[in-house]
Amino acid sequence: AQRVTQPEKLLSVFKGAPVELKCNYSYSGSPELFWYVQYSRQRLQLLLRHISRESIKGFTADLNKGETSFHLKKPFAQEEDSAMYYCALSCHRGDQGAQKLVFGQGTRLTINP
Amino acid sequence: KAGVTQTPRYLIKTRGQQVTLSCSPISGHRSVSWYQQTPGQGLQFLFEYFSETQRNKGNFPGRFSGRQFSNSRSEMNVSTLELGDSALYLCASSAGAARSLHFGNGTRLTVT
Repeated sequence: AQRVTQPEKLLSVFKGAPVELKCNYSYSGSPELFWYVQYSRQRLQLLLRHISRESIKGFTADLNKGETSFHLKKPFAQEEDSAMYYCALSCHRGDQGAQKLVFGQGTRLTINP
Repeated sequence: KAGVTQTPRYLIKTRGQQVTLSCSPISGHRSVSWYQQTPGQGLQFLFEYFSETQRNKGNFPGRFSGRQFSNSRSEMNVSTLELGDSALYLCASSAGAARSLHFGNGTRLTVT
């Protein structure tokens, strides 16, 4: 069965400190992983996806297939990073583009001034 | 481009009633999927439609159904409402192969 685990419901760090939000997954196929973010009073939006290997707003995430992890990291946290973060696993079937995302329970990140 | 639009934003229904939620995807997006969000279960996949066909379905009872129209707009219906159906229902659209979803603001359903 597909499963995404975010072990921390709440994470609080000081501004300027490094941030790491943990995500572990369980999936027998080839995983496709995402981080979504929801800022206060805004809709859920894509932050980054592993296939892009990009850095968005200073955040990066590396897929580690050996540890089945996709942790989100930022070297220096900013107050505007305070939000709810969701890790998600795409469980698409063989037919092109069929989509089903399995989400973790989310981590609420608070950056203290 | 306009974002994903969901209507209505809020609904209050009583047990046993049925409800229809609407979603207009981003122009050009042909895939529409629905998620239920609750404090206890988090975000759970309901179903996904592409070109008016349901391609994927989550583990929800048959009371939950949906459809997609030729203009890609989608509706989901919940019949015989139960208290446990109270949730935020999110619709998301995508261009398909890109697999990244664009979410609407959701419809908050309260069942009393």
